[in-house]
Amino acid sequence: DIQMTQSPSTLSASVGDRVTITCRASQSISSWLAWYQQKPGKAPKLLIYKTSSLESGVPSRFSGSGSGTEFTLTISSLQPDDFATYYCQQYDSYSRTFGQGTKVEIK
Amino acid sequence: EVQLVESGGGLVQPGGSLRLSCSASGFTFSNYAMYWVRQAPGKGLEHVSAISNNGGYRYYADSVKGRFTISRDNSKNTLYLQMSSLRPEDTAMYYCVRGAGSSPGVGAFDIWGQGTMVTVSS
Repeated sequence: DIQMTQSPSTLSASVGDRVTITCRASQSISSWLAWYQQKPGKAPKLLIYKTSSLESGVPSRFSGSGSGTEFTLTISSLQPDDFATYYCQQYDSYSRTFGQGTKVEIK
Repeated sequence: EVQLVESGGGLVQPGGSLRLSCSASGFTFSNYAMYWVRQAPGKGLEHVSAISNNGGYRYYADSVKGRFTISRDNSKNTLYLQMSSLRPEDTAMYYCVRGAGSSPGVGAFDIWGQGTMVTVSS
């Protein structure tokens, strides 16, 4: 199975900060990478698919980049609603593995 | 409104069985691959099983292979997960998820249900 590794595991930031989360794949997954946001007690929500395509309704402060094995999720100006846990996921194979998650906390 | 609603979770003893259901509405169910994803308390997400739009292809994670069976009834817009030989490590919230494509190999997970909790304990 393709392993996905996110960093950092926890990130402390303030409203207005620029935030970057990294996701690395154990082998090339082309551009087949998605990012999800999960808030406590809620189901995950798709933010970005195919590395950089923004899901409908997702604010433009979220962006994604990368290819092959290294990918990033960037929040250009952190808002109060963005404090949550973020997961990357590869969908290059039938085994759709997730990263371990990055919790974005209030500093 | 596009919606997925899970049911069937609960408390079950180790070695027991449970069947989860997921009722879909607001979209053409038979056009999409469907998935089950679970999340143990305080842990990350694990893709458990997948089924193609017509049921012709099914995928299982190694952790559940031989114990879980995914199926669907397109006439009823319903996805199922039959779970048997349950273990304490199967304790998790189970989410029904729509994939953005007809095949399990295509598309991100674009629609999620609210989840149903399965607890395996004596």
